[in-house]
Amino acid sequence: GAVVSQHPSRVICKSGTSVKIECRSLDFQATTMFWYRQFPKQSLMLMATSNEGSKATYEQGVEKDKFLINHASLTLSTLTVTSAHPEDSSFYICSASSHFEGYNEQFFGPGTRLTVL
Amino acid sequence: QKEVEQNSGPLSVPEGAIASLNCTYSDRGSQSFFWYRQYSGKSPELIMSIYSNGDKEDGRFTAQLNKASQYVSLLIRDSQPSDSATYLCALYTGTASKLTFGTGTRLQVTL
Repeated sequence: GAVVSQHPSRVICKSGTSVKIECRSLDFQATTMFWYRQFPKQSLMLMATSNEGSKATYEQGVEKDKFLINHASLTLSTLTVTSAHPEDSSFYICSASSHFEGYNEQFFGPGTRLTVL
Repeated sequence: QKEVEQNSGPLSVPEGAIASLNCTYSDRGSQSFFWYRQYSGKSPELIMSIYSNGDKEDGRFTAQLNKASQYVSLLIRDSQPSDSATYLCALYTGTASKLTFGTGTRLQVTL
């Protein structure tokens, strides 16, 4: 399968600071990238969908001014959590989608565990 | 009715047995179906995709799709303790480019 990387894998920050998470598709060009959040023992929650060169589409209830998404190229998307607070502590996972054998398949990065003190 | 339904489990099977995981969905127009495995504290990993009615086999895994009955299942033969994880069913609904996930079934393979 295709490889998606995320950096950093773990970050601890103070309340009020901003944190940037990078997502890269390493061996394919991703037509679309997705950002998810997962709290302990809960399901994946889609936050936003981004296509290269255009504005991200945010899911209902996700603050676009707090979670800034930039999709600068077909292999890189970034999520910036601005003015992070303890309630933003979560597991953030990106995924990248591309066509394989005529179908869209989504591959996940390893995730970034954010802890806000 | 939820778009994608899975029994949350846990489903407990002895080592060496066949684990059967089921998923039903509501959108008859869905065409692409996926099974992801997620270990605790890790991100989901794509293990099977299926697009046509019938069975698709890959090693110890078999995905089964029945569009008329709107269900997709995953069979794991010769279950191993390392198969213990949460299995997520996912599909594209309508014309959406985003996946809709079930809540996952937790599988426990016991020694």
